[in-house]
Amino acid sequence: QKEVEQNSGPLSVPEGAIASLNCTYSDRGSQSFFWYRQYSGKSPELIMFIYSNGDKEDGRFTAQLNKASQYVSLLIRDSQPSDSATYLCAVNDKTSYDKVIFGPGTSLSVIP
Amino acid sequence: DAGITQSPRYKITETGRQVTLMCHQTWSHSYMFWYRQDLGHGLRLIYYSAAADITDKGEVPDGYVVSRSKTENFPLTLESATRSQTSVYFCASSETETQYFGPGTRLLVL
Repeated sequence: QKEVEQNSGPLSVPEGAIASLNCTYSDRGSQSFFWYRQYSGKSPELIMFIYSNGDKEDGRFTAQLNKASQYVSLLIRDSQPSDSATYLCAVNDKTSYDKVIFGPGTSLSVIP
Repeated sequence: DAGITQSPRYKITETGRQVTLMCHQTWSHSYMFWYRQDLGHGLRLIYYSAAADITDKGEVPDGYVVSRSKTENFPLTLESATRSQTSVYFCASSETETQYFGPGTRLLVL
C-alpha cells in the first residue's frame, strides 16, 4: 500500500526562523511531489511542486527532493505568523497519472 | 465567477437519510475528485473521474455514489448516511497533476 508520511507536529518556530517540514513516501516509482498549504477551516492550496532531485526555490519556500532516500522536504525561510497552517505533502500515484496521495499534514505555528 | 464551488457549505442530516453534495467547476478540467478529511487521517480519496461518464473508486468509496454526466459537475451522494460519514468533504479538479480544491462541505450526521 502506497504511503506518504509526515510528522503531525505541531511544529513551532519563532518569527524569522527557518521552518523545516519533512515527508517520506513508500512508492519508489513516484515522479511528482507537491506541497499544499491549508489554513484552518479552509481548503488546501498548492504552494510548490518538484519533479527532479535537488532543490527548487520560490520566494521564501524551498522544496528539496531526494528520490534515493524517498524523502521530500519544504523549507520556509524568514517564517511569518501568516505561514501558520497545516502543510500537506502529496505524491503522485504512478498507477494513475491524475491521482495523488496525500500525507496527514504537519501543523506549523510561527510564534511572533 | 470562475473556479470550483461546492454546495451546501454546511449540512446537518440524520442517519439513514440520503444526502447529495454538489461540486461545480468552470475551468473545463477533465479530472475531478472527492476527498474526505478527518482528524488523524488527512485527505482520503473517495471517488474520482477522468472525464464525463468515467468514474472510479478511490481509497474509501463504500457508502458513496458519484455520477458525472457533464464535465463541470461531479455530485457525491451518500445513499444512507451514517455517523462515520461525518466529515469535511472537498471536491477538487485538475487538468494536470496540480489539483484545485473547492471550499469544502462540512457534513454532520446525527
